[in-house]
Amino acid sequence: GAVVSQHPSWVICKSGTSVKIECRSLDFQATTMFWYRQFPKQSLMLMATSNEGSKATYEQGVEKDKFLINHASLTLSTLTVTSAHPEDSSFYICSARLRLADTYEQYFGPGTRLTVT
Amino acid sequence: AQTVTQSQPEMSVQEAETVTLSCTYDTSESDYYLFWYKQPPSRQMILVIRQEAYKQQNATENRFSVNFQKAAKSFSLKISDSQLGDAAMYFCAYRNLHSGNTPLVFGKGTRLSVIA
Repeated sequence: GAVVSQHPSWVICKSGTSVKIECRSLDFQATTMFWYRQFPKQSLMLMATSNEGSKATYEQGVEKDKFLINHASLTLSTLTVTSAHPEDSSFYICSARLRLADTYEQYFGPGTRLTVT
Repeated sequence: AQTVTQSQPEMSVQEAETVTLSCTYDTSESDYYLFWYKQPPSRQMILVIRQEAYKQQNATENRFSVNFQKAAKSFSLKISDSQLGDAAMYFCAYRNLHSGNTPLVFGKGTRLSVIA
C-alpha cells in the first residue's frame, strides 16, 4: 500500500529557532500534499495545501510567513516553523494525495510532535 | 462549506459488544465520499471504512459497517464484537468526489473506550 513518512517523529527546539519537518511519499508520486495540525484531544485542523512546483495555499488564520511550505518534488514536501514559540507546540500531520483511476486517495504520515521550550 | 459533526465526544463499550458512533454532515454536493478514520494512541491515522455517496449499499469491512442515510446526511459507524484494540479516537470525514485538491474535512472525533 501507499506509505507516507515524516521526519522527525518528534523534535524539541528552543523558542525563537526554526524547525523543518519533512513529509515523503515513499512509493508513489504526490502532486498534492496536505499539512494538518492537531492539538491534544482535538481534531485535525488543515493548515495548508501544498502543490508540487507552486506556492502552497494556506487556510484562513494560518500565517504563511511563519509556516513555510515547500513542495519541491513529487515525493517531498517540507514544513518549516520559523521563529517557533511555545504556542506552536503541537502534533503536525502530513497527508499525500494519490491519484487513482477515477478518484483520489489521501494517505497520512505518522505525524511529528513539536515541543517548543 | 462542508461541515462534519460528531455529537458524541466519548463512548464506551464492553468487549465483544456492539457500539455505534454517530456522524452527520452538511453539503450541497450530490457526489462525495465519507470516511471513518481511527487514531490510536500512536496517533497514526488509519482508514477504517469508506462510503461513496452514489452507492446505496452500506459499506462493510469485517467487524465495521456503516449506516449511510443520504437524505438525512447521516453516516454512523457500527463496530461489532468490540475488541480492546478498537479503543481509539474515531474521526468521521468528508471529501468531495472529483476535486483532487479538496482535502478531507474532519469531525471533532469520538473517543472510544473498550472495557474488558
